[in-house]
This record gives sequence, structure tokens and C-alpha cells, in this order.
Amino acid sequence: EADIYQTPRYLVIGTGKKITLECSQTMGHDKMYWYQQDPGMELHLIHYSYGVNSTEKGDLSSESTVSRIRTEHFPLTLESARPSHTSQYLCASSEWVGGGPSETQYFGPGTRLLVL
Amino acid sequence: QKEVEQDPGPLSVPEGAIVSLNCTYSNSAFQYFMWYRQYSRKGPELLMYTYSSGNKEDGRFTAQVDKSSKYISLFIRDSQPSDSATYLCATQAGTALIFGKGTTLSVSS
Repeated sequence: EADIYQTPRYLVIGTGKKITLECSQTMGHDKMYWYQQDPGMELHLIHYSYGVNSTEKGDLSSESTVSRIRTEHFPLTLESARPSHTSQYLCASSEWVGGGPSETQYFGPGTRLLVL
Repeated sequence: QKEVEQDPGPLSVPEGAIVSLNCTYSNSAFQYFMWYRQYSRKGPELLMYTYSSGNKEDGRFTAQVDKSSKYISLFIRDSQPSDSATYLCATQAGTALIFGKGTTLSVSS
């Protein structure tokens, strides 16, 4: 079973506030990801990291930023939240499993963000 | 054209039915195909994966890939109410996974 945690699970916040979504994994995985998921839509990759001090933007443009100071921790920050940021944010980490996809990704439970 | 297309459903079946979930993809270079299951208010969990063409079976679940038609399928035999979830197909392109929109399945007892 995957050990990847996200907090908070639900967040309702006003426009203009700064927010940080936390993601931690205890599996020692080097690679970590943030996806955005809207109802009835595909998951879209917004950020990923290959390891400490490595961060890259994903396919979907996002105003959020990420940091990777420790292997187990990959927080996502929005400096000034807007209603357009309302979505579900999913964190994932991955390992390479021999004989399988090079990216076997394990997902956290997600954070549902509502910006009023 | 989206790289992975999936009919979002919803799909409702009675307990014990055989369920067929399907996706199409556009890029013939894709090699790995995955099925994730996502319960309400949870993150996706990997159900099974297949490489290239062929079938893979795991208990009541069978994943099938037809590369000639760029078609991937997940079959669920003897469906159970606990199978009620959203099923996401995915393929790997470089670093990222490309997901379909997911098909919501409801199995009634």
C-alpha cells in the first residue's frame, strides 16, 4: 500500500490568500508529481520533480510553484488564490519497477480546493 | 485529437454483470497502458498495466491492448458493488502519464 499523504484534504479560502498544499511520502521515491483534476476531466500534470532541488513544470500551465528541499516532501504553493484555482490537486510519487512501466505512480488522496 | 479518449459514462450494471471499459489512443509509439481505479474522494490507485499488445489477467480483471486499432480495454467479470468507482485509462509519454477522463461505473446489488 502506498504511503503518500496530502494535507489539508479540503480547503475553502478567500481570493488573494496564500496557500500551501502539503504532500509527503515515506517510500523514499525520488520522483514526485502534482496533478490537477477537475470533475469529468483528465488529470493534468502541473509540476514534477526528479529529486531534491529539482522541479519542472508539467504540461498544464499553472500559477502555482513547488519546492523539493527534502526527498519526502513536495509542497505546492499558490501566492494569491483565485476562483479559477478551484480544483482537486493530486500528489503522486513513483519508482521504477523492473518489468513494468518505468513510472509506477502512487497517488495521495488529494486536496479539494475551493477559492471563493 | 486528444491523445487518450475515454467515454466518461456513467455506466450502471447489476451485480454479477461483465463490464467492458474502453479507451482509444492516438500515438502508435505508446507502449505501456495502465488502468487506475479511483474511488470517490480518493486518489487513483493502479489496478493493472499491460505492455504493447495482448491480454493480462488478474483475478476478475482482464486488460487488453490492440495496437493495430489503438484500442485498450478493461473487462471486469462477476462485477461487485465494491467495483463502483471511476476507472481511468492511462499511457506513459516520457515522464508523464496521459490519462483519459475516466469512466464512472456503478454496480448495483
